[in-house]
Amino acid sequence: QKEVEQDPGPLSVPEGAIVSLNCTYSNSAFQYFMWYRQYSRKGPELLMYTYSSGNKEDGRFTAQVDKSSKYISLFIRDSQPSDSATYLCAMSDDNNDMRFGAGTRLTVKP
Amino acid sequence: ETGVTQSPTHLIKTRGQQVTLRCSSQSGHNTVSWYQQALGQGPQFIFQYYREEENGRGNFPPRFSGLQFPNYSSELNVNALELDDSALYLCASSLIGENYGYTFGSGTRLTVV
Repeated sequence: QKEVEQDPGPLSVPEGAIVSLNCTYSNSAFQYFMWYRQYSRKGPELLMYTYSSGNKEDGRFTAQVDKSSKYISLFIRDSQPSDSATYLCAMSDDNNDMRFGAGTRLTVKP
Repeated sequence: ETGVTQSPTHLIKTRGQQVTLRCSSQSGHNTVSWYQQALGQGPQFIFQYYREEENGRGNFPPRFSGLQFPNYSSELNVNALELDDSALYLCASSLIGENYGYTFGSGTRLTVV
């Protein structure tokens, strides 16, 4: 079993849809939870981070962390074609290495 | 404020050769981390450098080594290249202690033939 599990998709939705992306993990020591967006031929770009459990909202994006279930989610409201990218969940404890999921490829169709 | 820059963008090497990849950190950042991203996979942590010393290492063999310079730029060296080393190599800079504030470069695409 991988330490971080993420459905690779691909996921295709129409413009304006609500997108739900999820990851599960096995290491209960993780405290920092991040979502990165990666466009083709680019490095990952930090979208949101959450410390411990709870929700965080930033514009059209909402991140949720449920440590009791070891489950994190990213919701994208009113999705746009420019949101088409690979979304990577990442998490870390107090050490230096982030553990990434495999990434979910999202396409938002006009 | 400049971001993280990596060079070269693409590289083709022969199995058994050695390669050096370079990274310039974002202004104000004092740590550099290197990640390997195979096609269709998430990045995997190779190591991090802080104050010119290795500050954590992932599950990579010793033929993967690195350097950090006083200006916080960094190099990743890989000896005795294997076909499985073909991947996108990402450099990320951050401030020590900030486990979330990583800024990534666009990466170096290494192909080993």
